Amino acid sequence: QVQLVQSRAEVKKPGASVKISCKSSGYTFTDFTVHWVRQAPGQSLEWMGWITAGNGIGESSQKLQDRVTITRDTSVTTDYVELSSLTSEDTAVYYCARGYSTGWLEFDYWGPGTLITVSS
Amino acid sequence: DIQLTQSPSFLSASVGDRVTITCRASQGISSFLAWYQQRPGKAPQLLIYGASTLQRGVPSRFSGSGSGTQFTLTISSLQPEDFATYYCQQLNSYPRTFGQGTKLNIK
Repeated sequence: QVQLVQSRAEVKKPGASVKISCKSSGYTFTDFTVHWVRQAPGQSLEWMGWITAGNGIGESSQKLQDRVTITRDTSVTTDYVELSSLTSEDTAVYYCARGYSTGWLEFDYWGPGTLITVSS
Repeated sequence: DIQLTQSPSFLSASVGDRVTITCRASQGISSFLAWYQQRPGKAPQLLIYGASTLQRGVPSRFSGSGSGTQFTLTISSLQPEDFATYYCQQLNSYPRTFGQGTKLNIK
């Protein structure tokens, strides 16, 4: 069965960086995209970026592009998102989600989320 | 960026009620719209994609319709497990965007 397993919660200080992992299993890894979505406490969902199927090129939203790096290690079927220069506004649950690269492009499986708390 | 506006933001209803949530896009997105359900402390779950296609395993009381800029999610007869927050998402262009959410509470 399809599973996305994410790394554990972390507490970071302002100005630090964090790298979150998302290990996929149960499907052909390179046939699907993976997207990163975050959710601040009590807020809606914010799309951060994605990594393409096949060649595994990462792209981030314009809002976060200066601070976000999205990468993939196909050998261990794992995707990563790294966020730098953290502030309290980055406190959120971070989700990875599998996306279709054809058809209606929906996100059909999601990881359980990784809570990142930014606090001095 | 394409903005998605959901209405209402909050909805109180009873078990057995029929409810409808609306999502309006700031520009046309064809049928590239998905609906997700999120329960507290959990990841979103896909309900509907392509505006009207029910995801495998989702109960048939959920249905979606619309195209272009106006979309609806309907739950035909509310069950206790349906009280959650619902989000629409556009998949027509980048950045992918979500609506602000509709929280469905028990009346």
